[in-house]
Amino acid sequence: EAGVTQSPTHLIKTRGQQATLRCSPISGHTSVYWYQQALGLGLQFLLWYDEGEERNRGNFPPRFSGRQFPNYSSELNVNALELEDSALYLCASSLASGSLSSYNEQFFGPGTRLTVL
Amino acid sequence: SQQGEEDPQALSIQEGENATMNCSYKTSINNLQWYRQNSGRGLVHLILIRSNEREKHSGRLRVTLDTSKKSSSLLITASRAADTASYFCATGGSQGNLIFGKGTKLSVKP
Repeated sequence: EAGVTQSPTHLIKTRGQQATLRCSPISGHTSVYWYQQALGLGLQFLLWYDEGEERNRGNFPPRFSGRQFPNYSSELNVNALELEDSALYLCASSLASGSLSSYNEQFFGPGTRLTVL
Repeated sequence: SQQGEEDPQALSIQEGENATMNCSYKTSINNLQWYRQNSGRGLVHLILIRSNEREKHSGRLRVTLDTSKKSSSLLITASRAADTASYFCATGGSQGNLIFGKGTKLSVKP
C-alpha cells in the first residue's frame, strides 16, 4: 500500500513569491494535516482538512492557506514568502477523525523542503 | 505550544546497547504516539499507546505510559546503527492535531 506522498521534494523561492506544496494521503484516509518543521522551532501544526473542509488551523498568519480536493489530496499555499518560512513542510493523513481527540494515528509523508532566499 | 518534552535531548550509545527515551506531557490525553525521523526527512510512526494501556511492545520497541505522572518512555533494545535518528513523542491536541516534543537525538555507534 502506498504511503503519503508529497511534491515537490525541494522548492526554492525568493521573498515575496508564492509556494504551492502538494500531498496525497494514504488510500482510504480522509483527513490531511500540514505541519511546519523549522530549524529550532520543532514541529508546528499548520492546518487540518477533513472531507474537503478546513477543520482547524494552528497559529499561523492567513498567508498560509490550503485546500482539500474531492480525492482527498491537499495543497498548501504560502503567499508573500518570508525568509523565516524556510522549513520542512510535512503532510500527514489519518482515517476520519470523528472528534477533536486526534485518536487516530497520523502517517507522514517525506516532506517538502522549502527554501526562501 | 510544546506538549511533550523528551529527555534526554541527545543520547549516544554503542550498538547492542539499550536506549531509553522519556517523554513528559502536560494535559490529559487519549493516546500518545512515538515517531522516528531520519536526518530531516519524514516521520515514521512507531507505536501508539492508548491512555488505558500501561505498556505496549512492537519488535524491539517497548513503550510504557504512566498517566498519573503524565509520562511515557520508549525503550529500544539491542540497538543498531540504523536506529540512529531523532525520536519524538506526540499527543493529541485540542485542534485535532498532534503536538510534538522537541525530540531525542539518538546516535548508535557501530
